[in-house]
Formats: sequence, C-alpha cells, structure tokens
Amino acid sequence: EIVLTQSPGTLSLSPGERATLSCRASQSVTSSYLAWYQQKPGQAPRLLIYGASSRATGIPDRFSGSGSGTDFTLTISRLEPEDFAVYYCQQYGSPWTFGQGTKVEIK
Amino acid sequence: EVQLVESGGGLVQPGRSLRLSCAASGFTFDDYAMHWVRQAPGKGLEWVSGISWNSGSIHYADSVKGRFTISRDNAKNSLYLQMNSLRAEDTALYYCVKARAYSVYDAFDIWGQGTMVTVSS
Repeated sequence: EIVLTQSPGTLSLSPGERATLSCRASQSVTSSYLAWYQQKPGQAPRLLIYGASSRATGIPDRFSGSGSGTDFTLTISRLEPEDFAVYYCQQYGSPWTFGQGTKVEIK
Repeated sequence: EVQLVESGGGLVQPGRSLRLSCAASGFTFDDYAMHWVRQAPGKGLEWVSGISWNSGSIHYADSVKGRFTISRDNAKNSLYLQMNSLRAEDTALYYCVKARAYSVYDAFDIWGQGTMVTVSS
C-alpha cells in the first residue's frame, strides 16, 4: 500500500498569499495517478486536480498541481476567502489511499 | 444536474448488518466506475470499496474485506454497500463517489452528501 504524507499539517496564510502544499508518497505513484481534493466544513470533498496536474471541470486556474514519482505539489497562486479549507491528496491505484490532509487557515 | 444520493445509514449494534444505497442521476450511470469512501467524525478520508462499470472489477480495503460487499444495478442507476459484522471502528460518514471514467483507476469527480453509520451498543 502506498502511504501518502502531506505537509505541513496546517498552513496559516492571508488572503492574496500563495499556498504551497506537499504530498509525498512512500513509493512511486503509477502513471501520475495522483489527485487533490478540497473539503470545507460540513461539505463533501471536491475534486480539484487529477493526473497530478490536470484541473477538474470548473476549477479556477489559481489552482495548479505538479510533480511525479513520489513528490507532488498543489499550489494556490493567490488565496481567495473561499479557499480556506482542508486539502487531501489521493493516489488512485489499488488500493486507493488518501493523505492525512493539510488545513489552510486564515492567518 | 449530476447527483448522488445515499441512504440506509443509521445506528446499529456491533456485529449487526446494514445496507447502504446510492441513487445516481444526471449522467449515464453504467458508463462509470463507482466507489464508497468513508470519513470518521473529525478524521480524514478512507477509501472503502470500488466497482467498475460492468462489475467486472471489484476492490476492497483490507479493513472491510470479507465483511463488506459492493454491488451495482445499472438498470436502477444504483450502487450498494452491504455491511456485515459491523464494528465500532466502522462508524463514519459514508460517501458514494463517481469515478471520472469506466475504470476504477481514476479520480473521484462527483461525491454524494453522505450517509452516517454509527456502530454502538
């Protein structure tokens, strides 16, 4: 099983700042089968990025994903008020696994 | 509108069974793989089980293997999760999730709102 470790656990930033979230895998992720999700309190997760770097439908271009192999990054270029949430990375090879999440909070 | 609506959750005693259902609408259900993902209160996401478009590929997390059974009825646009021998650690919000494609090996692009399962005596 591939273990995903996200860092930092919490990121305290102000609106307008750049956010950089890391996801490290315990072994190489097949064919960049890596996704990022956003979850707000009381809501279901929402797909942001798939295939490590492709934005899902309707996702603003301030969200971008990069990386390959074992190291992946989600970048939010300029934080909007609605971006403060918990972010999870996921690899979708069997078995499917999620990282433990990074909380982006208002500083 | 693409929609997934879960039902069947509730309070159940340890060792008992429960069957979750998910009604899909707004897309061609039998074109896509489906999964169940759960989230314990205050915790992160845990993948539970996945099934391909034609039920030919089925997968389970080790934590539920041998106790849970996933199935689908494409004629009824429905996904199911039969949960037997329930344990306290199965307590969670269970999400029905659509994969981006027919294969189980794809990201999850549509999520339901979840149904809560509480296992307690």
